[in-house]
Amino acid sequence: LAKTTQPISMDSYEGQEVNITCSHNNIATNDYITWYQQFPSQGPRFIIQGYKTKVTNEVASLFIPADRKSSTLSLPRVSLSDTAVYYCLVVDTSGTYKYIFGTGTRLKVLA
Amino acid sequence: DGGITQSPKYLFRKEGQNVTLSCEQNLNHDAMYWYRQDPGQGLRLIYYSQIVNDFQKGDIAEGYSVSREKKESFPLTVTSAQKNPTAFYLCASSIRGQGYGYTFGSGTRLTVV
Repeated sequence: LAKTTQPISMDSYEGQEVNITCSHNNIATNDYITWYQQFPSQGPRFIIQGYKTKVTNEVASLFIPADRKSSTLSLPRVSLSDTAVYYCLVVDTSGTYKYIFGTGTRLKVLA
Repeated sequence: DGGITQSPKYLFRKEGQNVTLSCEQNLNHDAMYWYRQDPGQGLRLIYYSQIVNDFQKGDIAEGYSVSREKKESFPLTVTSAQKNPTAFYLCASSIRGQGYGYTFGSGTRLTVV
């Protein structure tokens, strides 16, 4: 089974760039790595998704090295409203298309 | 707009009662999932279904039951056998066989009174 590891928590100040890394092994070689944001008492919200190298959208960037054993979510110039829990989601290599969630990183943005 | 609807948003259950949480999606997704989230914790998989009339146990299925009679619907019943049911329950769906990730509902908070 795939295993994932994320830092439990991170603090940052407004306006800074934040990078959150998810380590994952035994993941499917041909499937996306997806990141979600979750606020208290809400369902996780899709942030960004990538397969390899670098992907950028209007809210974040995602960096995936060639070996795909990790992925890094980058949030540019965070604000107080970015305080949330961030999860990575990968696909297990077993062929059953079983999704594996990361352990979650609690980001606190300080004024 | 396509999406997933969970109802009710809040649910209270007395000890010994069964309750059913509703999950409906109009995304035409084949696969649907139920997760449980306890305060300050991550998501744990209860049950999932990849096609109609078929479902599999996840990591914490004891005390729960599901059905998948229609593609759009995947209700979860929390039975009296579930000893600690107070939690936040999330339903999700995905395209089967393609790793595009989940679309989540907004969740149901179940409290035992």
